Amino acid sequence: GIQVEQSPPDLILQEGANSTLRCNFSDSVNNLQWFHQNPWGQLINLFYIPSGTKQNGRLSATTVATERYSLLYISSSQTTDSGVYFCAVGNYGQNFVFGPGTRLSVLP
Amino acid sequence: NAGVTQTPKFQVLKTGQSMTLQCAQDMNHNSMYWYRQDPGMGLRLIYYSASEGTTDKGEVPNGYNVSRLNKREFSLRLESAAPSQTSVYFCASSAPYRNTEAFFGQGTRLTVV
Repeated sequence: GIQVEQSPPDLILQEGANSTLRCNFSDSVNNLQWFHQNPWGQLINLFYIPSGTKQNGRLSATTVATERYSLLYISSSQTTDSGVYFCAVGNYGQNFVFGPGTRLSVLP
Repeated sequence: NAGVTQTPKFQVLKTGQSMTLQCAQDMNHNSMYWYRQDPGMGLRLIYYSASEGTTDKGEVPNGYNVSRLNKREFSLRLESAAPSQTSVYFCASSAPYRNTEAFFGQGTRLTVV
């Protein structure tokens, strides 16, 4: 099956700093999403990005499908950005596999 | 628009008891999924259903059964609960065509004592 790796596993930032989270996957996929799991356990959809670049406020994401990786950029981080960021990949009508996550702590 | 709804939100079971976790989506999605998340870990796929009438095993299916009751509903059953099944369970749904994303329910926190 598809393998998903995320780095770094843990990240501590001072408020206002920028960061880049990476997701590597082992096979071709036509679905890739980034999620934020907040401290209450809710999974929040950030981006659906099987290829290309998208931006939403302070967050942006880029997926290079041919090289099998995706990057999530967080700029001017805020304490509310804390939580775990997951990358998940799959193919239509098949399983949808999660990476182990990056745990982000933003300090005031 | 409710999206993906899971019931119950919390449950405590004794070892050996059975229960069914319910999931329903109102987005007319074909595919539905059940995941478990253990403390400090990512989500692992238990079962998925690509379309009504089909189900397939995921990474960790042992000890679980599923039923795709209709297009809207996908239930997960624990026949004889074990402490190792203490976890948070998430249901998700997606549509099997381009430019669609998976949406998740709020989770069911299950404790088996």
